Amino acid sequence: ETGVTQSPTHLIKTRGQQVTLRCSSQSGHNTVSWYQQALGQGPQFIFQYYREEENGRGNFPPRFSGLQFPNYSSELNVNALELDDSALYLCASRRDHYNEQFFGPGTRLTVL
Amino acid sequence: AQTVTQSQPEMSVQEAETVTLSCTYDTSESDYYLFWYKQPPSRQMILVIRQEAYKQQNATENRFSVNFQKAAKSFSLKISDSQLGDAAMYFCAYIVENNNDMRFGAGTRLTVKP
Repeated sequence: ETGVTQSPTHLIKTRGQQVTLRCSSQSGHNTVSWYQQALGQGPQFIFQYYREEENGRGNFPPRFSGLQFPNYSSELNVNALELDDSALYLCASRRDHYNEQFFGPGTRLTVL
Repeated sequence: AQTVTQSQPEMSVQEAETVTLSCTYDTSESDYYLFWYKQPPSRQMILVIRQEAYKQQNATENRFSVNFQKAAKSFSLKISDSQLGDAAMYFCAYIVENNNDMRFGAGTRLTVKP
């Protein structure tokens, strides 16, 4: 069984640019959540996708957006990057509403 | 606002000894789930143990056990016979039934001394 994978591993962008992060969910999982983990902090919920629809959102501005595809993989898009967007972005998948989530290894985004 | 509090930013334990990591949380809901995750330097968040709030019996997974005090909203993790591989950041988290927002604490960095 393949686990959750994320790409790229690391990314460096400059302020004002746009970025797309990708996540492949674990086999059989139809729900994907994205989290932002700032340095020295716990993860913060960005949003969740269930069967290709956004299904819950945390306290993040609209420039954070996402997609989920028919194969349940997902993208996180961030527009107009700000320095504070520098963080580890984690993707987690789960099956339906079962509450155990499986996390990917994360993408480290640095905004200069 | 942070609704999960881990009051110990850092903890240290001698190999083979026992250590307890503290966690308190704040929710008005009655149906929720609690978790401890381990995050080693590789960054992968790994589930250590989970507890359903409706269960009175404390969860146990091999050397890991919890002390769940629902009325006090406390959920501590006990690691017995600590091993060098246990060294990592440990995060306490909860999620309310039928909700999507898993809330995490700020983490406790555990060091295991040989």
